Amino acid sequence: GAVVSQHPSRVICKSGTSVKIECRSLDFQATTMFWYRQFPKQSLMLMATSNEGSKATYEQGVEKDKFLINHASLTLSTLTVTSAHPEDSSFYICSARDPGTGHDTIYFGEGSWLTVV
Amino acid sequence: AQSVTQLGSHVSVSEGALVLLRCNYSSSVPPYLFWYVQYPNQGLQLLLKYTTGATLVKGINGFEAEFKKSETSFHLTKPSAHMSDAAEYFCAVSETGGGNKLTFGTGTQLKVEL
Repeated sequence: GAVVSQHPSRVICKSGTSVKIECRSLDFQATTMFWYRQFPKQSLMLMATSNEGSKATYEQGVEKDKFLINHASLTLSTLTVTSAHPEDSSFYICSARDPGTGHDTIYFGEGSWLTVV
Repeated sequence: AQSVTQLGSHVSVSEGALVLLRCNYSSSVPPYLFWYVQYPNQGLQLLLKYTTGATLVKGINGFEAEFKKSETSFHLTKPSAHMSDAAEYFCAVSETGGGNKLTFGTGTQLKVEL
């Protein structure tokens, strides 16, 4: 089946620095990718929709200047957490739609643990 | 707007027993419905989905779910639990034509005991 890969799987950064997380569709081209955030023992919350070649669409309450999303190619979307703070520590997961399977099939990456110290 | 309610944040069953995880949704348009499983420290894996057509949907690992419009439910079942089924299960909904934006329930942690 389709594969979506995230990197890094775990990252620790110092408060005030920026960190980039990559999301790649390995065997299909994804015009749309999604970024979610999951706090421990909670559900996934959609942060933004990443569209190839255009600006991301952010959900209400998500700071677009803090969570920079770039979708420069059909197989890669990146999430950059700028000026990270401990409260940004979370599990970030991306997903992508495989257009070859129609509107309704979404594949998720393995997730990335971010710890800000 | 759409929402998902999963009743029971923790469910415990004996190995070999029936698994029933409840999910109710609300949607202003015909929904697409999904069940995902998440193992510790991993991403989400699609178990099954309902889009249109047959209301009883069969997924991987012996799981199935039935879409009941009158009850706005999409409960997940498996006739016989296995130890390897222990994981977190998420029900999700997206609106037809909604661009694949998923709204997730809060999840149900399934524990399987010997």
